[in-house]
Amino acid sequence: NAGVMQNPRHLVRRRGQEARLRCSPMKGHSHVYWYRQLPEEGLKFMVYLQKENIIDESGMPKERFSAEFPKEGPSILRIQQVVRGDSAAYFCASSPLGGFQETQYFGPGTRLLVL
Amino acid sequence: AQKVTQAQTEISVVEKEDVTLDCVYETRDTTYYLFWYKQPPSGELVFLIRRNSFDEQNEISGRYSWNFQKSTSSFNFTITASQVVDSAVYFCALGGYNTDKLIFGTGTRLQVFP
Repeated sequence: NAGVMQNPRHLVRRRGQEARLRCSPMKGHSHVYWYRQLPEEGLKFMVYLQKENIIDESGMPKERFSAEFPKEGPSILRIQQVVRGDSAAYFCASSPLGGFQETQYFGPGTRLLVL
Repeated sequence: AQKVTQAQTEISVVEKEDVTLDCVYETRDTTYYLFWYKQPPSGELVFLIRRNSFDEQNEISGRYSWNFQKSTSSFNFTITASQVVDSAVYFCALGGYNTDKLIFGTGTRLQVFP
């Protein structure tokens, strides 16, 4: 029973390029969450999605960041025109149902480094 | 506002010592969940425990135990007879009613020396 999968595990981009981070939830999970962890800090919520719907994007920066979870395929977190401040670990989590009572299971994260 | 405070930034112990990681939370919700996650040096996040606000029973799982006290808004985590493999950053998190996001503390880095 595979856990949450994220790829790539490490991503290096130059300033101004685009970064695409992928997340495949656990089997049977239809709720996906993205969090960002800046160096030496805790995780901060970015966005919560269900299939084809964004439920809560209150933690997403207003510009350059977008997320989707299509009917088929993984969830994608897209960062356009990356800047050095985007360097962080991006974690995806999934749960079978939404709601605060559900445990969120995390993937291994994608470490983004912007040069 | 919801908030999780892990005041201990870093703790160092020698193997076989017991160690307690503190977690204090703030919420106006009467129904909420508390979580602990472990982040080993390899970087992934490992789920350890979930506790709901109506269940104040302490929980023990092997060398791990958790003490939930609503009166002090604390959910502390104790590792008994620590081992080198326990070295990691430990995060406490809060899930509140009517929200789907977890609020994380800043983490406590535990180093266990042989």
